[in-house]
Amino acid sequence: DARVTQTPRDKVTEMGQEVTMRCQPILGHNTVFWYRQTMMQGLELLAYFRNRAPLDDSGMPKDRFSAEMPDATLATLKIQPSEPRDSAVYFCASGLGPPGGGYGYTFGSGTRLTVV
Amino acid sequence: AQKVTQAQTEISVVEKEDVTLDCVYETRDTTYYLFWYKQPPSGELVFLIRRNSFDEQNEISGRYSWNFQKSTSSFNFTITASQVVDSAVYFCALKHPGNTPLVFGKGTRLSVIA
Repeated sequence: DARVTQTPRDKVTEMGQEVTMRCQPILGHNTVFWYRQTMMQGLELLAYFRNRAPLDDSGMPKDRFSAEMPDATLATLKIQPSEPRDSAVYFCASGLGPPGGGYGYTFGSGTRLTVV
Repeated sequence: AQKVTQAQTEISVVEKEDVTLDCVYETRDTTYYLFWYKQPPSGELVFLIRRNSFDEQNEISGRYSWNFQKSTSSFNFTITASQVVDSAVYFCALKHPGNTPLVFGKGTRLSVIA
């Protein structure tokens, strides 16, 4: 089965450090999403890309978060500097379809980030 | 505006009981898609079902069934004869056509006790 691969699976870091999370979407998928899951807020959309171009990153704190797709096989989410409130599980999801499609997305296993 | 409400935060049932998870959505559009995802204790998000707004037929898949009612903007999920392996957080989600994001409800944590 094709799957979305996220690395690392778990990350513990000290406040102020830079954190980079990586996502390998399913080959051929043209849309990539980053979601954050916390107990308080549930699943929140941070950013998403179509054909590697950012479509919406309004859910992301701009001062410390950045999301990129250097190529079609890699999406990155970077936090610099990290803060304890960034502790969460970060999910990447990818999908493919025509503009009128209502297809769902495949999620990766997530990166559990703990900032101490 | 799009919104998904899962009013039940946590539900606990005894094995073999039936349980229904509620989902109410809000959207101004006439074309949209509804989803359910399961998040077991291992943490991954598992796709369960997709429904488009023009198809109100109920769906059954084994012990799972879904009731879509546009009149009440609801898309409820029933598990029949629940099992311990059904213990998970279940998310309802809404999406509009195209490469648009899923909007999730807050989830319902289901605990099935043996």
